[in-house]
This record gives sequence, structure tokens and C-alpha cells, in this order.
Amino acid sequence: KAGVTQTPRYLIKTRGQQVTLSCSPISGHRSVSWYQQTPGQGLQFLFEYFSETQRNKGNFPGRFSGRQFSNSRSEMNVSTLELGDSALYLCASNRLPSSYNEQFFGPGTRLTVL
Amino acid sequence: DQQVKQNSPSLSVQEGRISILNCDYTNSMFDYFLWYKKYPAEGPTFLISISSIKDKNEDGRFTVFLNKSAKHLSLHIVPSQPGDSAVYFCAASDSKNAGNMLTFGGGTRLMVKP
Repeated sequence: KAGVTQTPRYLIKTRGQQVTLSCSPISGHRSVSWYQQTPGQGLQFLFEYFSETQRNKGNFPGRFSGRQFSNSRSEMNVSTLELGDSALYLCASNRLPSSYNEQFFGPGTRLTVL
Repeated sequence: DQQVKQNSPSLSVQEGRISILNCDYTNSMFDYFLWYKKYPAEGPTFLISISSIKDKNEDGRFTVFLNKSAKHLSLHIVPSQPGDSAVYFCAASDSKNAGNMLTFGGGTRLMVKP
């Protein structure tokens, strides 16, 4: 079974630009969550999608948005990039929208904002 | 306001000895706890979990203990092996209200010396 895939793996952008990151969950998984990892703040929850609906949202500004497609693939978008958005963005997939099921993480997208 | 804290940023143990990683939480709504292991340039990998209705869960060399009254959990690795060297994250979930949303601690870097 293929794992969670994230594209691209590395990205360099400049302040003010926007970026779109992609996540393909494990086949059969319908829940996708996004996390941001930074040295200062650690791993922080961004949002979760299940069956194309956002179920939960973390404490991030509106510049961070996401969506999920009918095939469960998900994208997240960050507009008007700031230096502080430099981070590792991780996607996790789960069969169901319940944490009792194991979440599988992808390798992440390393975003650098210059 | 950190709801999940891992107060030891790093831990060094000798191969074959016990590694004990600690985690404290403040949110009484958390009812499911997980430990993840992370190597550089990879996403976190699920290790073991425990529900709040239990106080201990074992899986091979890994045991998680939960003390609800103290809002404290710990991960014991016995015996420790050099391959266990990684960053370990404690995570907590309010499974009834927050779906797959995980709140992570800051991580503890474990180094197992041969």
C-alpha cells in the first residue's frame, strides 16, 4: 500500500507570494489533516478535511486555507507569504474522522520564504 | 498556552537500558494520547497510543503509562537500541469533539549510545 505523498518536497518563495501544497492520502483514507512544524512553535494543527468538508480548524490566520477533492486528495494554500511561514508542512491521512484510528503522516513539504 | 508539554528537550541513554520520556497535559477534555517518532526529513511515525480509560498499554519494547489525576503520561522503551535515536512527540486528542485534531508536545530528542 502506498503511503501518504506530498508534493512538492521542497519549495522556495518570496514574501508576498502565494503557495499551494498538495497531499495524496493513502488509498481508502478519507480524512486529511495538515500540520505546520517550526522550531519555535513545534507541530501545530492547521485543519482537517473529511469527505470534502472542513471539520476542524486550528488557530491560524485566514491566509491559510485548504480544500479536499472528491478523490480525497487535499491542497493547502498560503497567500501573502510571510517570513514566519517558513516551515515543514505535514499532511496526515486517516481512514475515518476519529483519532482512535492511526494517522499516517507524509514526508512533508519544506517551505522556505525569503 | 501549551496544552501538551514535554519538558525534556533531549535524553541520552546507554544501549540496553531503559528510556523514559515524559509528557504533561493541561486540557481535561483530552481522552486519547499517542506517541510518535520522527526521523529527520521524514514525517512522524505512530508508535503507541492509550485511551483515557486505561492506565497502561504495551507493544513490544514500548509501554505507555497514563496518570490521569496528574495529567501525565510517559513512554518507556526497554531495552533501548541505537535505532531508537530520534525525536519523540507526545500528542493528545479530544476524540469526541475534535476529530483527528492532535495537539503535540514540543518533542524530546532521544540519543541511544552503543
